Amino acid sequence: KAGVTQTPRYLIKTRGQQVTLSCSPISGHRSVSWYQQTPGQGLQFLFEYFSETQRNKGNFPGRFSGRQFSNSRSEMNVSTLELGDSALYLCASSLETSDTQYFGPGTRLTVL
Amino acid sequence: DQQVKQNSPSLSVQEGRISILNCDYTNSMFDYFLWYKKYPAEGPTFLISISSIKDKNEDGRFTVFLNKSAKHLSLHIVPSQPGDSAVYFCAAINAGNMLTFGGGTRLMVKP
Repeated sequence: KAGVTQTPRYLIKTRGQQVTLSCSPISGHRSVSWYQQTPGQGLQFLFEYFSETQRNKGNFPGRFSGRQFSNSRSEMNVSTLELGDSALYLCASSLETSDTQYFGPGTRLTVL
Repeated sequence: DQQVKQNSPSLSVQEGRISILNCDYTNSMFDYFLWYKKYPAEGPTFLISISSIKDKNEDGRFTVFLNKSAKHLSLHIVPSQPGDSAVYFCAAINAGNMLTFGGGTRLMVKP
């Protein structure tokens, strides 16, 4: 069974731009969660989607948004990029809420 | 306020010996705990988990112990191998699906 895939793997943007990251969960998994990893803040929860609905949201500004499609694929969008948004963005999927989450390889976003 | 803490940022162990990674938490509502292993620029890889109703779970060389009264869990790796060298994160989950991670411990296993 294929694992969680994320595209693109690397991305370079400039301040003020917006970016969309994509995540394809493991087949059959309906929950998709997003995390941000930075050296200073560690791994932090962004939000979780289940059956196309956002169920949980972390403590991030409204510039961070996401959505989930009927096939469970998810996208994350960051608008008006700031230098501090440079991070590794990780997507994780699980069968249901509260099941073990499996992570993708991440998207490395660099904001210049 | 850090709800999950890994107080040792790094640990060095000789190959073949036991590695013990520790994790403390403050939120008594956490009911499920996980350990992940991570290499640079890659996503975390799930290792082992434990429910709050248990005090021990074993999977091959990996054993996780949970002490609820002390709000402490530990991951034992026996025997340690050079390929185990990575950053290990403990994570906790309560109702919902939000993983709260510790800061990670870098394990170095010397041949």
